[in-house]
Amino acid sequence: GQQVMQIPQYQHVQEGEDFTTYCNSSTTLSNIQWYKQRPGGHPVFLIQLVKSGEVKKQKRLTFQFGEAKKNSSLHITATQTTDVGTYFCAAKNLQSRGGSNYKLTFGKGTLLTVNP
Amino acid sequence: DTAVSQTPKYLVTQMGNDKSIKCEQNLGHDTMYWYKQDSKKFLKIMFSYNNKELIINETVPNRFSPKSPDKAHLNLHINSLELGDSAVYFCASSPPPQGRLNYGYTFGSGTRLTVV
Repeated sequence: GQQVMQIPQYQHVQEGEDFTTYCNSSTTLSNIQWYKQRPGGHPVFLIQLVKSGEVKKQKRLTFQFGEAKKNSSLHITATQTTDVGTYFCAAKNLQSRGGSNYKLTFGKGTLLTVNP
Repeated sequence: DTAVSQTPKYLVTQMGNDKSIKCEQNLGHDTMYWYKQDSKKFLKIMFSYNNKELIINETVPNRFSPKSPDKAHLNLHINSLELGDSAVYFCASSPPPQGRLNYGYTFGSGTRLTVV
């Protein structure tokens, strides 16, 4: 089945440093979503990328979708303690049909911790 | 005004018992999901319903039975609970996919199930 590999598994940074998490797939993706889960909380939808090479920004967060639609990244500039949490990508295979069209496969997440 | 509400938030029960988790959404979404998050934070889809119809049943043991009385509710009943069922169970909802486009999921706050 669909697999989405996310790296790194953990990242610890000093406040003010940048952070990037990457999501890779062996198959072409239809779209990719990013979620943030604070410790003890639930995943919260951040953004969806659909187009090849798409770049979207949300304040200090920059999201990219690769030209081949097989990878994506989330970059945080100048991290703050409020950025702490696990960041997940979730993707759907381009070939998905029928019930699979509803299925997003989540990466294993990157846990970001920030030292103040 | 909680968008996706799950009850109970915590559930501690003995092996062999039967328990239910309830989920309700007031977002008007047609599609609802159950996800299991294990101790390593891996989010795995269990079931998806679209307008009360089962769309995804992801190799989940028969002991797990979802029920959707209407499109705003998706409950999860678990028979003969086992130690390995201990996890956080998240309900989520979204509009149905439109072609290649999926919509972001809104997750409930989760139910932490501990089987002893």
